[in-house]
Amino acid sequence: AQSVTQLDSQVPVFEEAPVELRCNYSSSVSVYLFWYVQYPNQGLQLLLKYLSGSTLVKGINGFEAEFNKSQTSFHLRKPSVHISDTAEYFCAVSGTDSWGKLQFGAGTQVVVTP
Amino acid sequence: DSGVTQTPKHLITATGQRVTLRCSPRSGDLSVYWYQQSLDQGLQFLIQYYNGEERAKGNILERFSAQQFPDLHSELNLSSLELGDSALYFCASSPRGRNEQFFGPGTRLTVL
Repeated sequence: AQSVTQLDSQVPVFEEAPVELRCNYSSSVSVYLFWYVQYPNQGLQLLLKYLSGSTLVKGINGFEAEFNKSQTSFHLRKPSVHISDTAEYFCAVSGTDSWGKLQFGAGTQVVVTP
Repeated sequence: DSGVTQTPKHLITATGQRVTLRCSPRSGDLSVYWYQQSLDQGLQFLIQYYNGEERAKGNILERFSAQQFPDLHSELNLSSLELGDSALYFCASSPRGRNEQFFGPGTRLTVL
């Protein structure tokens, strides 16, 4: 089984400042890792994924994440945020043996202010 | 737009009732997943179907059931509804051989 911990429930950030959202996971098997974004009253949109290979993953909207196996982390970063990045962000993990079902973290609410 | 459609968008019903939520996956996707999002439990995996067959089960109550039809659309049936079943229910689909899921817009269920 897998579990995911998102260390911050809310992250306030000023426009054009950098942001980092922290995610740690636990699993007894190899994993695939994902970040999703949920805008108000909408479904989840995939930002980026780590399946294998390079530990630095680039996604949409200028986001990137780094997989760190030794620290079991998959932190999400963006060097300069926009007001439109205000949303809830979910880290998710899937075991390579679990047919793709996702275990989600509790989410991090990002609030970008001018 | 992910290509996954869900109907209805909103559903208001009373305790003890039964409802059916419908999901149409992206064209060509064989896998369908159902998730529940609530304030107290967060996002929880319920059940997965692959090409008509149940593949994995998560925290799905016995009062809930699902199926995937030959045209690959899926339905989630919720019966004997309780106040605590009020939540957003998401469907997601996944392309064959790819480990990513595309989510629909969700059905917001309110049980009064």
